[in-house]
Amino acid sequence: SQQGEEDPQALSIQEGENATMNCSYKTSINNLQWYRQNSGRGLVHLILIRSNEREKHSGRLRVTLDTSKKSSSLLITASRAADTASYFCATDPYSGGGADGLTFGKGTHLIIQP
Amino acid sequence: DTGVSQDPRHKITKRGQNVTFRCDPISEHNRLYWYRQTLGQGPEFLTYFQNEAQLEKSRLLSDRFSAERPKGSFSTLEIQRTEQGDSAMYLCASSLTGGNNSPLHFGNGTRLTVT
Repeated sequence: SQQGEEDPQALSIQEGENATMNCSYKTSINNLQWYRQNSGRGLVHLILIRSNEREKHSGRLRVTLDTSKKSSSLLITASRAADTASYFCATDPYSGGGADGLTFGKGTHLIIQP
Repeated sequence: DTGVSQDPRHKITKRGQNVTFRCDPISEHNRLYWYRQTLGQGPEFLTYFQNEAQLEKSRLLSDRFSAERPKGSFSTLEIQRTEQGDSAMYLCASSLTGGNNSPLHFGNGTRLTVT
């Protein structure tokens, strides 16, 4: 089963508006990462937030992490048509020193209307 | 382009045939991962390598699947006796280090269709 669950599954907004996506997860983590995937392509890493961080910014992206609620949010400000893509959260679970693959959610499909 | 490359981009095969995919990671990356992604889902972890050693396999990786990374550089993923349920996008990713705080760099995937 997949660790992270994004919400909403799909989101359609007008260009220039802000887009917010949420992610919930189940187990303790080392870090949480957000990725973007354009149709038919591989995933592109956007931002990583460590378990001891609460907020992080990168350009028009803002990510928050609440480890007590096991949740994260990704905010894209001033959206552009090129932001149309699927967005996935991925968790790096704490595994006592073992190195496992990231666990991805099902994604939020974001459509920016021009 | 020094990103992760995968070959082929698309593969159509008949049920029961064997297929092999190749992944060339970013050259200085010592970790290599294989994921599978079906339509509308996120990537599911299959296996990963630290240099040439295969360190973990998901239970999704049945005995029809085998992966190798013979010299710690490129990797191959073979599926024997393909089934229609194997139809998916197979993604390869690499990272400089494993464990904490290492983002993955993905290739564009190999889309497999089993007819």
